[in-house]
Amino acid sequence: RKEVEQDPGPFNVPEGATVAFNCTYSNSASQSFFWYRQDCRKEPKLLMSVYSSGNEDGRFTAQLNRASQYISLLIRDSKLSDSATYLCVVRVMDSNYQLIWGAGTKLIIKP
Amino acid sequence: ETGVTQTPRHLVMGMTNKKSLKCEQHLGHNAMYWYKQSAKKPLELMFVYSLEERVENNSVPSRFSPECPNSSHLFLHLHTLQPEDSALYLCASSQRLAGDINEQFFGPGTRLTVL
Repeated sequence: RKEVEQDPGPFNVPEGATVAFNCTYSNSASQSFFWYRQDCRKEPKLLMSVYSSGNEDGRFTAQLNRASQYISLLIRDSKLSDSATYLCVVRVMDSNYQLIWGAGTKLIIKP
Repeated sequence: ETGVTQTPRHLVMGMTNKKSLKCEQHLGHNAMYWYKQSAKKPLELMFVYSLEERVENNSVPSRFSPECPNSSHLFLHLHTLQPEDSALYLCASSQRLAGDINEQFFGPGTRLTVL
């Protein structure tokens, strides 16, 4: 079983729609959670951290469900510029510097 | 953006060649990382340096040899690579190794092709 699992997609979504995707993690000692964004042929960049109570940053909402061991990302009013691969990242308590990466979910926003 | 730079951006090499990848960070960070990214696979952490000391070697074959001469520079020396080593090699840095704030800043990567 993969340590961090994501639906690879692609998710094809019309501009203006709301899209959500999940990520599951296998290690119950996971401590910190992040979403990174990677544009085509570019490097990953931090989109947002995910806090236990859930958090919002503009059109983006991240939530954490520790009991079921998954995190989610919701994008409202999607823009063409949201097209990218979204990487789910987890840091495990007993390895305080090593990040465990998902393979990413590809999102394509269509006009 | 020039926080983390990598050279070369593209590299094609034969299996008997020796080459080096270079990474430089201009952010004053204390930790640096080498990752390998293959198509449709998660990023694989290869090496971690903190204050110029290697703290992690994730069972990487000896044909990859890292070097960190100072906290701003990181090299990856390559020799006798295999075709399956073809991938995007990403360098990253973070303010420090541990702690709540551990955002990693990535360079643009070197796309390596081994013939």
